[in-house]
Amino acid sequence: NAGVTQTPKFQVLKTGQSMTLQCAQDMNHEYMSWYRQDPGMGLRLIHYSVGAGITDQGEVPNGYNVSRSTTEDFPLRLLSAAPSQTSVYFCASSGTTYNEQFFGPGTRLTVL
Amino acid sequence: ILNVEQSPQSLHVQEGDSTNFTCSFPSSNFYALHWYRWETAKSPEALFVMTLNGDEKKKGRISATLNTKEGYSYLYIKGSQPEDSATYLCASQDTGNQFYFGTGTSLTVIP
Repeated sequence: NAGVTQTPKFQVLKTGQSMTLQCAQDMNHEYMSWYRQDPGMGLRLIHYSVGAGITDQGEVPNGYNVSRSTTEDFPLRLLSAAPSQTSVYFCASSGTTYNEQFFGPGTRLTVL
Repeated sequence: ILNVEQSPQSLHVQEGDSTNFTCSFPSSNFYALHWYRWETAKSPEALFVMTLNGDEKKKGRISATLNTKEGYSYLYIKGSQPEDSATYLCASQDTGNQFYFGTGTSLTVIP
């Protein structure tokens, strides 16, 4: 099993550009989530999904969209990138909402 | 929004010492408390998930306890080894599927 995979590993964007961060898992997990990691702050939940076709907002959802068309994939879309979105983004999955989460390797995003 | 606090922020111990960290969290709408180990240049790795007041979990030399009434959890490492050096994160999960992470305790074990 590959576990949780994320692409790309690094990305540089200009302000106003859009892009999609990819996340996939091969463990047939129902729960998937996106976090951002900023210096001096804990991981903050952006969006999550409890199953295909179901998504909900986390603590910091503004500027991001998600969809969950399959159990395996949970892409995160930045609609119009801003410097405040410079961060490291982690995707995670778990078998159910209340199980331990498995994290992907992260995507380091810089918005100029 | 829940405020999850971890202390200390960083810790240096000698190899063989035992150590412990604290995670405090608001008790309202609490469902579960998660502990993760995060090594540099890697991803967070789950250690424990605890839900019930009085829960105790153990994995090798690492153990954790949970007090949901007063809103705290302790993580203990017995006989610290250099490979235990990492940042230890806790996260409080509420009944609405929201996770709130602390900023972590950075542990350095000196050989």
